[in-house]
Amino acid sequence: EDQVTQSPEALRLQEGESSSLNCSYTVSGLRGLFWYRQDPGKGPEFLFTLYSAGEEKEKERLKATLTKKESFLHITAPKPEDSATYLCAVSRGSNYKLTFGKGTLLTVNP
Amino acid sequence: GAGVSQSPRYKVAKRGQDVALRCDPISGHVSLFWYQQALGQGPEFLTYFQNEAQLDKSGLPSDRFFAERPEGSVSTLKIQRTQQEDSAVYLCASSPPYADRGGEKLFFGSGTQLSVL
Repeated sequence: EDQVTQSPEALRLQEGESSSLNCSYTVSGLRGLFWYRQDPGKGPEFLFTLYSAGEEKEKERLKATLTKKESFLHITAPKPEDSATYLCAVSRGSNYKLTFGKGTLLTVNP
Repeated sequence: GAGVSQSPRYKVAKRGQDVALRCDPISGHVSLFWYQQALGQGPEFLTYFQNEAQLDKSGLPSDRFFAERPEGSVSTLKIQRTQQEDSAVYLCASSPPYADRGGEKLFFGSGTQLSVL
């Protein structure tokens, strides 16, 4: 069974204080690893897809990396508007289903 | 609108009542998914449609849950004889055809928050 574990469950940062979120996964035949952002009362919003170990993707203050066992979402000099829940998900083989972790609730204080 | 639209936004049901949740996907999106998100949890897969065909319903919790997409666009998730454990946010997502490896990029609606009393 596919498993996705995210840590920490919650993270509180000061504006400008860089940090990383972790996503550990167990999946047979990883097809892709996905990062989504979810704001309160909204559906998840797509951020990145990573397909192979060593791959990196960047968007503004966010950078996602992937190894064979985990992915990191690095947040550089965060701003209050980066506050949200960040969800990690995996898919495998030809399977279209996403298996999500529980998410990390990020709060960035001004 | 350009995004996935879900209605109603909130639904309160008495235990035992039947409910129907609607999803309008992005025009032209072939794939449609329903996910269930309990408070403090990540979304969990319920069912998947490709056009009007329901290709996977393995995530539906019980036979009280039923989904349809008769014309390959709008979808309805129906829950019969609701129970308190059905209380959750029900998310609908759509994605364009698998043109490339990015096909798993899902566009989610804001969800329907179901509360069963």
